[in-house]
Formats: sequence, C-alpha cells, structure tokens
Amino acid sequence: EPEVTQTPSHQVTQMGQEVILRCVPISNHLYFYWYRQILGQKVEFLVSFYNNEISEKSEIFDDQFSVERPDGSNFTLKIRSTKLEDSAMYFCASTPRDLNGSPLHFGNGTRLTVT
Amino acid sequence: GESVGLHLPTLSVQEGDNSIINCAYSNSASDYFIWYKQESGKGPQFIIDIRSNMDKRQGQRVTVLLNKTVKHLSLQIAATQPGDSAVYFCAEKNAGGGADGLTFGKGTHLIIQP
Repeated sequence: EPEVTQTPSHQVTQMGQEVILRCVPISNHLYFYWYRQILGQKVEFLVSFYNNEISEKSEIFDDQFSVERPDGSNFTLKIRSTKLEDSAMYFCASTPRDLNGSPLHFGNGTRLTVT
Repeated sequence: GESVGLHLPTLSVQEGDNSIINCAYSNSASDYFIWYKQESGKGPQFIIDIRSNMDKRQGQRVTVLLNKTVKHLSLQIAATQPGDSAVYFCAEKNAGGGADGLTFGKGTHLIIQP
C-alpha cells in the first residue's frame, strides 16, 4: 500500500538554526498538509497546500514557517529560526482530494528537538 | 471556543472484550468525522470515517456512531486484540469544503489487558 514517507525520522538542532523537514506524499495525491504534535498534546493543523500554493494555514504557521514543493515528489516544511517551543513531532499528510472526499494519510513523522 | 475533546484519557479492557471510545464535539458546523489510531513512534492511521448525514458506519471490527443531537461520536472496537493497544483520536472537519485542516481531540489511550 502506498505510504507517505518523511525524513529524517529525528532531527536535533540548536535554537536559531534553520531546519527543513522533508516529505514524499503518496504519488497520485493532490492535497498536502503539515501537522505537528507537541509531546502529550493534540495533533495540530499547520498548513494545507494545493496546486502549488498554500490553501489554508493556522495561527501556528507564522512567518518563521514556509512550505515548498520543489519538484514533483517532495513537499518540505522549513522553519527559519527554530525556537525551543518548536520541539514536536511533525507529520506530513496527503489526500487524493480535499477533505470532503477522503481522509488524511499520515507519514510516521519527524521528531524535531530544539536545544 | 469550538473544540473536539475526549471523555477519558485512558481505557483498559480485557483482550477479547469490546471497547467503546467516546468523543464530544462542540462545533455544530462540522460535517465530517474521522477516527485515527496512533501507535508509539508512528503517525496517525486512518480507521474509519463518517459524514454528518449518517449516524452509523461499520468497518472490520469497528463501528462509528454519530449522535448529532448531543454532538457525540463513539468508536466501538469488537473483540479487542493486543494490536489494538494505541492512542485513538477523533477528528472533525468543519463544513465549508476545500483543503482546510482537521481539528483533533487529545486522544484516548486504549490498553488491552491479556
């Protein structure tokens, strides 16, 4: 069964550094998402992406965050200047259609640790 | 504000018994609901979904019930197995279409006792 894959599985970075989290969505999917989960808390929506542009973003997704689909397969989340509170699991997800048509398929996440 | 929440943080059941995990939602505009299972170190895994024009949907060993009158969602797992041990999240989507995100509840940790 096709999967959403994410790399790296664990990223450790120092406060103030830039990080790029990478995702390869399922190949025939058109909608892409980033969510995060701080340890012990809810999964939170960050951003959705369709047709090479952001469709919606949450309050969490401030100017320090950006997303990009640099080629036909990768979908990246960049955090420009990491803060301690950015430490979390970051999940990429994709759907073949919008959420009215199908559920999200998640990757296994990247654990980001900011020291 | 609007929120999705779970009644119990931990549920322990005997292997082979049925389990019921509950979820309350407060946004009456939500029209699509999903249950996810999350095992340690993995991403949320889709279990079953239901739209607001239905009140029950069945899958393999799982049933989701939706009561719009009291804004309540439940997941029933029949004949639980050790592999069912995980955290279960409900999620809702507001009516309005498009690619906007889901709102997740905090999760219930289901523990299957041998």
